[in-house]
Amino acid sequence: DIQMTQSPTSLSASVGDRVTITCRASQNINIYLNWYQQKPGKAPKALIYAASSLQRGVPSRFSGSGSGTDFTLTISSLQPEDFATYYCQQSYSSPLFTFGPGTKVDIK
Amino acid sequence: QVQLVQSGAEVKKPGSSVKVSCKAPGGTLKNYNFSWVRQAPGQGLEWMGRIVPKFGSTNYAQNFQGRVTVTADESTSTAYMELTSLTSEDAAVYYCAREGLTIFGVVIFDSWGQGTLVTVSS
Repeated sequence: DIQMTQSPTSLSASVGDRVTITCRASQNINIYLNWYQQKPGKAPKALIYAASSLQRGVPSRFSGSGSGTDFTLTISSLQPEDFATYYCQQSYSSPLFTFGPGTKVDIK
Repeated sequence: QVQLVQSGAEVKKPGSSVKVSCKAPGGTLKNYNFSWVRQAPGQGLEWMGRIVPKFGSTNYAQNFQGRVTVTADESTSTAYMELTSLTSEDAAVYYCAREGLTIFGVVIFDSWGQGTLVTVSS
């Protein structure tokens, strides 16, 4: 099974900050990596697919990079609506899928 | 993003089963695959299993093998997830998600249901 880890587990940041979240896979997953945002009481929302492609309608302040085992989600200038939990998810082993444990971004 | 509508909250006794439904816009079920993901209180997302409605084929996470069954009814454009032998550890919000296939061949969960809260209590 492919295991996913994320760091940090949580972070505190201010509006306007640049935020970076890291996701690591237990084996090479090429670019089969997606990112989701989840707000309390809501379903997750897809942000980025294939490591670096922005899902339609997602603001350009979100970006993704990486390939192989190490990936990064960056928010270039944190906005009030970006305070949420972010999950990475691998689909390399499709039709079996795995999520990372999540990174909570809250207000400093 | 399309709207997937799930059935309402459930309260179940330990040892019983729960069946959650997920209705897709009319006629679209056969064009996509659907997964089920759960989230225990204060915890992360856990993928459970999925169905290819066109063929009726299914795949399940190791953790749920033998306890979960995912089905689909194209006539009503509805997918279902049934979980048996419930324990308190199965108390969670259960989501259905549509699998979108990107141009890179990467599968992404591009639409989600609103979630169904399952409470397990004696």
